[in-house]
Amino acid sequence: GAVVSQHPSWVICKSGTSVKIECRSLDFQATTMFWYRQFPKQSLMLMATSNEGSKATYEQGVEKDKFLINHASLTLSTLTVTSAHPEDSSFYICSASSQGAFEAFFGQGTRLTVV
Amino acid sequence: GQQVMQIPQYQHVQEGEDFTTYCNSSTTLSNIQWYKQRPGGHPVFLIQLVKSGEVKKQKRLTFQFGEAKKNSSLHITATQTTDVGTYFCAGPYSGAGSYQLTFGKGTKLSVIP
Repeated sequence: GAVVSQHPSWVICKSGTSVKIECRSLDFQATTMFWYRQFPKQSLMLMATSNEGSKATYEQGVEKDKFLINHASLTLSTLTVTSAHPEDSSFYICSASSQGAFEAFFGQGTRLTVV
Repeated sequence: GQQVMQIPQYQHVQEGEDFTTYCNSSTTLSNIQWYKQRPGGHPVFLIQLVKSGEVKKQKRLTFQFGEAKKNSSLHITATQTTDVGTYFCAGPYSGAGSYQLTFGKGTKLSVIP
């Protein structure tokens, strides 16, 4: 099956700094990427949907200036958590899908801890 | 690390037939979650099971959590074309104080009208 690589798998940063998470499709062209956030013991929450070359569509309640998403190529999307605060600590996971594809594939996820 | 195995990878059924997908974890899970992804869409949360032996129903969908909390199943009775999609299970993995979900690879369901 298709491979989606997410990096880093975990990161610890200081409050006020920015953190970038990368999501790469290794063997297919990902025209659409989805970014999720998961709080402990809860389900995934969709944050935004990004299509290659266009602006991401954010879900209600997700701050677009806080969570910057870039999908500049067919194999790479990035999520930047700007001016991170401890409440941004969470598990972030991406999934990628190619145009017309039946399914999306998940990355391994990133555990972000803001101290 | 934890592994979540899901079978079958693909399933083609005639409309009206039943469908089951199975999920097995290499470690005991505190809970298990199921997601459905429609063609062209994103995975959507369906349900979470927490208790050993728990059974939950959502209309024609029946979810079970094994007694040992290492396996789970999703059964759809009398499939309809609206059931088409990929069904994922996911279990939490706690390592080094972290908490994250490990997903199965999914079962892709096709329903022939």
